[in-house]
Amino acid sequence: NAGVTQTPKFRILKIGQSMTLQCTQDMNHNYMYWYRQDPGMGLKLIYYSVGAGITDKGEVPNGYNVSRSTTEDFPLRLELAAPSQTSVYFCASSRTGGANYEQYFGPGTRLTVT
Amino acid sequence: TQLLEQSPQFLSIQEGENLTVYCNSSSVFSSLQWYRQEPGEGPVLLVTVVTGGEVKKLKRLTFQFGDARKDSSLHITAAQPGDTGLYLCAGSSNSGYALNFGKGTSLLVTP
Repeated sequence: NAGVTQTPKFRILKIGQSMTLQCTQDMNHNYMYWYRQDPGMGLKLIYYSVGAGITDKGEVPNGYNVSRSTTEDFPLRLELAAPSQTSVYFCASSRTGGANYEQYFGPGTRLTVT
Repeated sequence: TQLLEQSPQFLSIQEGENLTVYCNSSSVFSSLQWYRQEPGEGPVLLVTVVTGGEVKKLKRLTFQFGDARKDSSLHITAAQPGDTGLYLCAGSSNSGYALNFGKGTSLLVTP
């Protein structure tokens, strides 16, 4: 099993451009998450999904959008990129929610907005 | 958001030393997890603690969940360079789907 895969690994965007970060999991997990990690700041939840067709905002959703049309895929859309969105983005999945179940993380996408 | 404070933020030690890192909150958590993250990779789960006062051991790593389920500690015995990484604690409340992560403790173990 590949687990959680993310593409691209690196990307440089200009201010105002848009892009989609792709995330796919092959573990048939219901829950999927998007986090951003800034230096010294830990992981902050952007959006999460408890199943296909259901998404909800996390702690820092502004400037981002998500969709969950299938169990496997959970893309993150950045509209009108801003320098404040420079970060490392991690996608994760788990069988169900909460801290009783392991979250499996992808390798991350390092995004720079200049 | 339930805040998790981790200390110390940075720790640099020599191989063979012992260390303890802490994860504290004013909130009660139904369970708490510890993850380790190596440079350029995503976090990987080390352990989940669920019961207040619970102690779990993973080889040279000992994890403890506070009696009141508001804090946790990770103790490493005889640290090795392979222990180098960012250690993150994450907690979940009874009503939450998602995890709240602490800022992490960055550990460097030199030979």
